[in-house]
Amino acid sequence: DAKTTQPPSMDCAEGRAANLPCNHSTISGNEYVYWYRQIHSQGPQYIIHGLKNNETNEMASLIITEDRKSSTLILPHATLRDTAVYYCIVRVARQAGTALIFGKGTTLSVSS
Amino acid sequence: DAGVIQSPRHEVTEMGQEVTLRCKPISGHNSLFWYRQTMMRGLELLIYFNNNVPIDDSGMPEDRFSAKMPNASFSTLKIQPSEPRDSAVYFCASSISGGTFHEQFFGPGTRLTVL
Repeated sequence: DAKTTQPPSMDCAEGRAANLPCNHSTISGNEYVYWYRQIHSQGPQYIIHGLKNNETNEMASLIITEDRKSSTLILPHATLRDTAVYYCIVRVARQAGTALIFGKGTTLSVSS
Repeated sequence: DAGVIQSPRHEVTEMGQEVTLRCKPISGHNSLFWYRQTMMRGLELLIYFNNNVPIDDSGMPEDRFSAKMPNASFSTLKIQPSEPRDSAVYFCASSISGGTFHEQFFGPGTRLTVL
């Protein structure tokens, strides 16, 4: 499985866009990019995933570069409740389920 | 929808005692995962099941750990005997495997303290 590299921490002002980068230069053609976040003391929460194309849902947008070697998670209008650890994970989607391998993630601090 | 249910939420025990953690996945989900989280090692996969069958248990630390899934609605993670280094938060997650559905739903976790 491809390894990911994320900055250990980032700050963002409330109401501004938070752009969280992830490098996955060794990604394979059949590996998806997943983003999860973990708010303090809670279980991780799924945010979004993608293979090649950019994706958007009610929580965030995922921008994947054309060569797929990096991606950016965008929270368009960050709120204090978005303060969490954000994990970028690259994994193959298997028929028998896809276990997640978590790295250290990026701690995003949103302040007013 | 109640989500993934874990019990107990907190467990304090003494070294050498048996500990059993329980998980009820979301109804209709056929994959179940056990993860452990510590400050030192972060979030680690311990084992996961698909259709009640263990698929990958390579993350189980040692023979003191065992996991079962007797049916689609229940799983246990047992530690016997427990040691202080087993202190951690244990998360259970479930998902629908296959197809293009990728989201794993995590439970609230069980915080285990072994004295």
